[in-house]
Amino acid sequence: EPEVTQTPSHQVTQMGQEVILRCVPISNHLYFYWYRQILGQKVEFLVSFYNNEISEKSEIFDDQFSVERPDGSNFTLKIRSTKLEDSAMYFCASRAGGFYEQYFGPGTRLTVT
Amino acid sequence: AQKVTQAQTEISVVEKEDVTLDCVYETRDTTYYLFWYKQPPSGELVFLIRRNSFDEQNEISGRYSWNFQKSTSSFNFTITASQVVDSAVYFCALSGLRWETSYDKVIFGPGTSLSVIP
Repeated sequence: EPEVTQTPSHQVTQMGQEVILRCVPISNHLYFYWYRQILGQKVEFLVSFYNNEISEKSEIFDDQFSVERPDGSNFTLKIRSTKLEDSAMYFCASRAGGFYEQYFGPGTRLTVT
Repeated sequence: AQKVTQAQTEISVVEKEDVTLDCVYETRDTTYYLFWYKQPPSGELVFLIRRNSFDEQNEISGRYSWNFQKSTSSFNFTITASQVVDSAVYFCALSGLRWETSYDKVIFGPGTSLSVIP
């Protein structure tokens, strides 16, 4: 069964550094998402992306964040200058067009020291 | 606004007991999806079930069952004869059900941490 993949599974970075989290959505999917889960808290929506542009973003998704689909397969989340509070699990999701639900990847655990 | 409430923060049961996890949601949409996810200590989100808002039939899958009641905006999850492997955080979630728009973010509840004691 097709699945969403994410790399790396765990990334450790120093405060102020840039990080790029990578996701490979399911191949025929059209809509892409990033979610964040701070340890012990609920999963929160960050951004949705369709037709090469952001469709919706939450208040969490400030100027430090950006998303890109650099080729036909990858979907990336960049954090320009990481802060301690960016430490979290980041989930990528994708869905096909029409009445279909989102499929979630296994997550990338980001630790900012 | 859309919102999901899981009033039970933590539940502990002894193995083989039945346990029900409560979920109440709010939405102005007339059509929507409801979900349950399991998050084991390893951190991934394990999809358990999806329900369309126009399908109120209850569902049973092995030891798991779900009770969807639109009248009370509830989508409760019962585990029968609980096992230690059921120990995890369980999230109830809601999303829109639209054809093309991407305004369909998944709204998660705060989660219920279930501990099954041997």
